[in-house]
Amino acid sequence: DQQVKQNSPSLSVQEGRISILNCDYTNSMFDYFLWYKKYPAEGPTFLISISSIKDKNEDGRFTVFLNKSAKHLSLHIVPSQPGDSAVYFCAARGAGSYQLTFGKGTKLSVIP
Amino acid sequence: NAGVTQTPKFQVLKTGQSMTLQCAQDMNHNSMYWYRQDPGMGLRLIYYSASEGTTDKGEVPNGYNVSRLNKREFSLRLESAAPSQTSVYFCASSGGGTAAQETQYFGPGTRLLVL
Repeated sequence: DQQVKQNSPSLSVQEGRISILNCDYTNSMFDYFLWYKKYPAEGPTFLISISSIKDKNEDGRFTVFLNKSAKHLSLHIVPSQPGDSAVYFCAARGAGSYQLTFGKGTKLSVIP
Repeated sequence: NAGVTQTPKFQVLKTGQSMTLQCAQDMNHNSMYWYRQDPGMGLRLIYYSASEGTTDKGEVPNGYNVSRLNKREFSLRLESAAPSQTSVYFCASSGGGTAAQETQYFGPGTRLLVL
């Protein structure tokens, strides 16, 4: 049973526009959420995170929104750049747990 | 700082052979992790070490063993490799203190092919 779901395997966006990547989770014990970016043949790179006590966190062009009642989070990238083309993984962790549970990833393509 | 390093980068094994994947971090992190990633899948936790001297099973530990050699190094051993263990293996580490709000930092990965 998948506890973290990224239902869109891929997404294409024009350069300069907004990219919105979505993630749903089923485990109500998750209280910390992270987004990782992965280029081919490299390890995942941490992008941004959010605690369940917040509903929004911003870092430059990247903003993560959390809707606890809907068990949904999203990553917004504005404006999108060709260098943002990568696979984005959503991950979640329960309180006090060391284990991250990952979604299957969404491949973002930013078209120049 | 090199961050998290992994060796080898790529390995081909025959079924039944054994090998050890090495991981080291230079960030003085307490916790270290081993994940595997299969095509079309997210990363799945194999084993982790919350601190030096401790190891615990993750989601998919069968067929693997680990050793936390010291604070810097965490190795993953396949005693008898099987084709189902063909995957990309990632090591990660995270800083001191509690697990809450710790970010895990990943190495570049080891691609393993078991024939």
